[in-house]
Formats: sequence, structure tokens, C-alpha cells
Amino acid sequence: AQSVSQHNHHVILSEAASLELGCNYSYGGTVNLFWYVQYPGQHLQLLLKYFSGDPLVKGIKGFEAEFIKSKFSFNLRKPSVQWSDTAEYFCAVHGSSNTGKLIFGQGTTLQVKP
Amino acid sequence: GAGVSQSPSNKVTEKGKDVELRCDPISGHTALYWYRQSLGQGLEFLIYFQGNSAPDKSGLPSDRFSAERTGGSVSTLTIQRTQQEDSAVYLCASSGGGGTYEQYFGPGTRLTVT
Repeated sequence: AQSVSQHNHHVILSEAASLELGCNYSYGGTVNLFWYVQYPGQHLQLLLKYFSGDPLVKGIKGFEAEFIKSKFSFNLRKPSVQWSDTAEYFCAVHGSSNTGKLIFGQGTTLQVKP
Repeated sequence: GAGVSQSPSNKVTEKGKDVELRCDPISGHTALYWYRQSLGQGLEFLIYFQGNSAPDKSGLPSDRFSAERTGGSVSTLTIQRTQQEDSAVYLCASSGGGGTYEQYFGPGTRLTVT
């Protein structure tokens, strides 16, 4: 069965620190990969996605992620976080052979201290 | 344009009562998904609609849960004889389908079973 694992459950950083959130998935076929963000009191929003092509994808608000097929990973990065990045981050996979459902990781809570 | 909307935003019900949760997808989106977000379980897929049919119901936790979609638009998730473990945030998402896999999420319905 497909699964997604996020290594960090709770991350605390100071403003301007660099961020990397780990995400690994288990699925043998072609995958589409996503990072969603949920700011406090708001609904889930798409941060970035990978369907094909350049494995380094750029999203909104300065976030980027790199798809490494050999490692089944899709880690999220940002060079310099801001207090407004405080949120919960979810990695998700959509296997192309399934019916469209997203399999989510458990989520990572990021707290950025001003 | 309008995003995905859900109603009610909050619902408190007594154990054993039935509840209906509504989702209005983005106009023109053919695919509709229900997910559940609860403490300790993260985000779980419940059911997927393509048009009015549901080719994937694999995430529905029991036969107390059912969903329908009419006119290829509005969907209703019904939970019969609610139990305390049904307390969660129920999220709806829609996507354009046809090879477009990006899902747009609604604000959710927070269900509390007392």
C-alpha cells in the first residue's frame, strides 16, 4: 500500500534560519507529489507540486522541493523562514494508477520564532 | 472565482444522531473528494467522486458513512448513528480531473459528537 512518511513532527526555528522538511513515499509507479500548507485557522493550500520534468520545483512564498526518485523523497526547503511561515505542512502523493486520492503524511508543525 | 465551500462550518451533535455535511465544489470541477482530519490520524481519504459516481469508496470507515453527489456538483456526506470517534474535521476537495490532479480544499466542517 502507498504511504507517506514525514520525518519531523514538530520543528522550531528562528527567523532567517533555513528549513528542510523531509518526506519519503512508498510507491513503485509514477507519482505526482505535493506539499500542502495549513496556516493557523485557514484551510489547506497547495504550496507546490511535481508532476514531471525538472525535479526541482518552485512554489509560492519562496518554497522549493526536490524530487529524488532513487530515494523516494520529496523534501521541502526554504532558505530563510519568516514568522509568517508558522503553519502545518503536509506532504502528499497521488499515484497515477489509483483513482485520484491523495495519501498524506502525518504533517509537520513548523513554529518560527520572531 | 469562488473556491470550494462547505457547510456547516461547525456541527455539534449528540451520540446516535445522524448528520449531513455539504460540499459545493469549484464550478466545472468533475472530481470531488472527501477527507477526514483528526488528531492522531492525520488526513485520511474517505471517498472520491468522478461526476456522480464514486469509483473509490475505500476510505469510508464503516457502513454508517455514505456520500452522494448530484448533478455533478454538490456532494453530501452522511454519518448515521454518530459515535464519539467520528469527531473530526471533514474536508472536501475538488479538481478539474482529466489529467489535472491538483486538488483545491474547502475550509472543512468541524464535527463534534458529544
